[in-house]
Amino acid sequence: DTEVTQTPKHLVMGMTNKKSLKCEQHMGHRAMYWYKQKAKKPPELMFVYSYEKLSINESVPSRFSPECPNSSLLNLHLHALQPEDSALYLCASSQEQGSYEQYFGPGTRLTVT
Amino acid sequence: AQSVTQLGSHVSVSEGALVLLRCNYSSSVPPYLFWYVQYPNQGLQLLLKYTTGATLVKGINGFEAEFKKSETSFHLTKPSAHMSDAAEYFCAVSLPNAGGTSYGKLTFGQGTILTVHP
Repeated sequence: DTEVTQTPKHLVMGMTNKKSLKCEQHMGHRAMYWYKQKAKKPPELMFVYSYEKLSINESVPSRFSPECPNSSLLNLHLHALQPEDSALYLCASSQEQGSYEQYFGPGTRLTVT
Repeated sequence: AQSVTQLGSHVSVSEGALVLLRCNYSSSVPPYLFWYVQYPNQGLQLLLKYTTGATLVKGINGFEAEFKKSETSFHLTKPSAHMSDAAEYFCAVSLPNAGGTSYGKLTFGQGTILTVHP
């Protein structure tokens, strides 16, 4: 099973709301990733977790707060977002950080109003 | 640091024609190379990958790509296009574990939208 699941599929939130995106994989992968994809653009890396520890933060604003509660789960907590944060948020996992391929989930389409 | 250039943001072919999507990369060390496909409002699906070894790699759905180190290229081909191939295709590069902290980071090209017409 090479499936990465993400919930919710769609999310609309106001600029004062707090919400969370969830990602789950059961492939035994030890690296998990968050990407942000704006319309008509490629995905851009936000965060990398390796063995449940934050390995890479691509200078993401603090209104995005990642969390890796265990090796199968990855969350992205959202607070005080701006309309320009509206995008498709993709989660991915790989066997280890730097190992070959990353498997992507279907994404969460976020709209900030 | 690494970068990826995909030549042609849009490619249009007839059903049954050859598909050729171009990708050139820049990397300080021998990279890993990937092609991903994205259908509208979906995530990315891995088509194929090159890590080491044979330079001609075969992927899913009849796609293949050839790693040419001298040309720093990794072009994607399919002999005969199908309507279901219409999607956006991303070439991506990552660095293997070389002791730094940026390894494993996927850097994508700008994408090529493939249109297949009857």
